[in-house]
Amino acid sequence: ETGVTQTPRHLVMGMTNKKSLKCEQHLGHNAMYWYKQSAKKPLELMFVYSLEERVENNSVPSRFSPECPNSSHLFLHLHTLQPEDSALYLCASSQVGSSGSSYNEQFFGPGTRLTVL
Amino acid sequence: LAKTTQPISMDSYEGQEVNITCSHNNIATNDYITWYQQFPSQGPRFIIQGYKTKVTNEVASLFIPADRKSSTLSLPRVSLSDTAVYYCLVGARGRRALTFGSGTRLQVQP
Repeated sequence: ETGVTQTPRHLVMGMTNKKSLKCEQHLGHNAMYWYKQSAKKPLELMFVYSLEERVENNSVPSRFSPECPNSSHLFLHLHTLQPEDSALYLCASSQVGSSGSSYNEQFFGPGTRLTVL
Repeated sequence: LAKTTQPISMDSYEGQEVNITCSHNNIATNDYITWYQQFPSQGPRFIIQGYKTKVTNEVASLFIPADRKSSTLSLPRVSLSDTAVYYCLVGARGRRALTFGSGTRLQVQP
């Protein structure tokens, strides 16, 4: 499926580097999400953007900085990461009705496998 | 949020029917039950959603008893490609965020 794309698919970075993850959705959705999936742990929601406004931030360290310039694009800017930040980072999108009528089936991208050395 | 409990893992053979049960004793009146499937190194994929009784689509069936304190995902005639982690989620419509548990790792053998 190509509804939600993520680049790069793999990223290796040092602790002093700055990098960005990119997500693009081609589904016309109005909400986008970043999740983190560490080895042998459940998916953790990081950020939620609805209509390009950040509506949820689950106590994520400031070394992760999201950006949503429009409803189709979502970025996750990374700087001074730690080895424990190595994980699969997943982007998702959904269409949420103004009345909250849809449960919110989320469409996920393939993820970016991040390794911090 | 209603807490869900699923078996950590299950094994099956090709061609068998697999039933994965999820417990959600504290489900609220406006909560729906949704199942996602995740293959290794991929994002989860929506399978099915229901509120009560039975829901069926081309992939699976979802059985929900009258008290709604549990639900069962039924996969008919599984194949090797059904090997994945299956997540049961409970939440109200309109809620943007999904809360994933540990899921059930299904291993299908030839």
